[in-house]
Amino acid sequence: GQQLNQSPQSMFIQEGEDVSMNCTSSSIFNTWLWYKQDPGEGPVLLIALYKAGELTSNGRLTAQFGITRKDSFLNISASIPSDVGIYFCAGQAYSGGGADGLTFGKGTHLIIQP
Amino acid sequence: DAGVIQSPRHEVTEMGQEVTLRCKPISGHDYLFWYRQTMMRGLELLIYFNNNVPIDDSGMPEDRFSAKMPNASFSTLKIQPSEPRDSAVYFCASGGRTNSPLHFGNGTRLTVT
Repeated sequence: GQQLNQSPQSMFIQEGEDVSMNCTSSSIFNTWLWYKQDPGEGPVLLIALYKAGELTSNGRLTAQFGITRKDSFLNISASIPSDVGIYFCAGQAYSGGGADGLTFGKGTHLIIQP
Repeated sequence: DAGVIQSPRHEVTEMGQEVTLRCKPISGHDYLFWYRQTMMRGLELLIYFNNNVPIDDSGMPEDRFSAKMPNASFSTLKIQPSEPRDSAVYFCASGGRTNSPLHFGNGTRLTVT
């Protein structure tokens, strides 16, 4: 089955620093998504990427869909305390005209020191 | 938009008991997904539906797990009999069409003792 390798597993940074995390896959995905999960809640969508090479920003967040369709990165600039949480990459493939479920990375746990 | 609604938020039960988790997707969404999240395995897809029809249940761990979607606004995930290794957070998610992101509920934290 499809697998996503997400790194780093965790990050401990100072407030104000930039953060970068990425995901790679052995399979091609048609859509890459980045989610954030806070404790006790479900994952919340941050950015969705639909085209190879696409670079998309959402405030201080920037994500790119790799040209090979097998990787994606997420950058957070000027981190703030509320950025703390677990960030998941997810890839979505399509077969037979229908959407498969998302395949998730294991997550990057972001810890920020004020 | 109320989002995806799951109930209960927490469920504690004894081994061998039947457990039923419930989900109400976002109105108008054609796709509904059930995921399980554990520390060891992360988020795993169990089953998904398109227009109330199960499309892929290859992620369902074993016959003790079953899922139904009797109509467009309701789905259940049932575990019978439950076992301690079923303890996890179960998420329901819905999506509008093939090329749209999934939206997640807040999950049901299941503890089987």
